[in-house]
Amino acid sequence: EVQLVESGGGLVQPGGSLRLSCAASGFTFSSYEMNWVRQAPGKGLEWVSYISSSGSTIYYADSVKGRFTISRDNAKNSLYLQMNSLRAEDTAVYYCARGKGRSFDYWGQGTLVTVSS
Amino acid sequence: DIQMTQSPSSVSASVGDRVTITCRASQGISSWLAWYQQKPGKAPKLLIYAASSLQSGVPSRFSGSGSGTDFTLTISSLQPEDFATYYCQQANSFPQVTFGQGTRLEIK
Repeated sequence: EVQLVESGGGLVQPGGSLRLSCAASGFTFSSYEMNWVRQAPGKGLEWVSYISSSGSTIYYADSVKGRFTISRDNAKNSLYLQMNSLRAEDTAVYYCARGKGRSFDYWGQGTLVTVSS
Repeated sequence: DIQMTQSPSSVSASVGDRVTITCRASQGISSWLAWYQQKPGKAPKLLIYAASSLQSGVPSRFSGSGSGTDFTLTISSLQPEDFATYYCQQANSFPQVTFGQGTRLEIK
């Protein structure tokens, strides 16, 4: 069974940092592209970042470029999102999502990041 | 950026009804469109990819159609478990994809 489990969310002050993790199991993690997608409270979905299966190709949404860094450790079946210079508008549930072609076929349960003083 | 506009924003329907949700892209996206279902407090679930391909395990009452700029998601006979919010997602600019604003399907 495919499982994606996010962790690392919490309350952080504006300008602070947080590192999210996504532990994958039930599939060959190193063969799949991965993404982070977020959802602000009561709002819609926003794609955040993409990483290829090898980690060699990375993309970011303009809203997080220069502040967030995606990475992966295929030996540990894990995906990460380092978030720096956090802003109130980054408050959201962050999901890791497995790529299926150009869509996302499995999602984690999400981890809530709250940026507030 | 490619903008995705869903209509209606919300719809009320009864069990057994046929429901259609529309998604329009601000520019042509070929068939690079997916549909997701999200229930409160849960992660989205992939229903349809490549505009009309049914994801494994998804009931056949769900179907998708369209190409270019106009797309539809149809639920042929609503079941109680189908009441949720539905999102379209364009993948023409993959991996920098964008989602529609969502359509909330409520019980009448």
